[in-house]
Amino acid sequence: NAGVMQNPRHLVRRRGQEARLRCSPMKGHSHVYWYRQLPEEGLKFMVYLQKENIIDESGMPKERFSAEFPKEGPSILRIQQVVRGDSAAYFCASSRTGGAAGEQYFGPGTRLTVT
Amino acid sequence: DQQVKQNSPSLSVQEGRISILNCDYTNSMFDYFLWYKKYPAEGPTFLISISSIKDKNEDGRFTVFLNKSAKHLSLHIVPSQPGDSAVYFCAAAALIQGAQKLVFGQGTRLTINP
Repeated sequence: NAGVMQNPRHLVRRRGQEARLRCSPMKGHSHVYWYRQLPEEGLKFMVYLQKENIIDESGMPKERFSAEFPKEGPSILRIQQVVRGDSAAYFCASSRTGGAAGEQYFGPGTRLTVT
Repeated sequence: DQQVKQNSPSLSVQEGRISILNCDYTNSMFDYFLWYKKYPAEGPTFLISISSIKDKNEDGRFTVFLNKSAKHLSLHIVPSQPGDSAVYFCAAAALIQGAQKLVFGQGTRLTINP
């Protein structure tokens, strides 16, 4: 039973380019969450999605960031016109339910470096 | 505004002894608390959780204690083993608009010395 999969594991982009991060949830999980971890900090919630719906994007920066979870295929976190401050580890998590007791299982993360 | 705080960035414990990791929170809306363990270059791994209606949950060597009046929780690991060396994050959850939102602390790096 494969866990949460994220690719690429490492991504290097120059300032101004676009970054696309992919997340495939665990089998049977329909809830996906994206988190960002800056160096020496904890994980910060960005967005919560179910299939074809954004449920909560209160943690997403207002500009340049978008997320989707289409009916078919992985969830995508897209960062347009990247800046140095976007360098971080981006983690995706999935859960079977979205309720209070639904433990979230994390992928290995994508480490984005903006040069 | 840091709603979940882990005030000790690092902790060093001798193998076989008890490790105690602490976490404080400020938001009374949190109703579920979790501990995650993270190795370098990996994602966080769920360890143990506790509902706000309980004050203790035990799973093998791991026990989580919750003191709601003090808005404080702790993770006890006994006996500590070298494989326990990792970064530990506490997280608090609130059910908002039908969705569980996790708020993480900054993490505590635990080192178990042989």
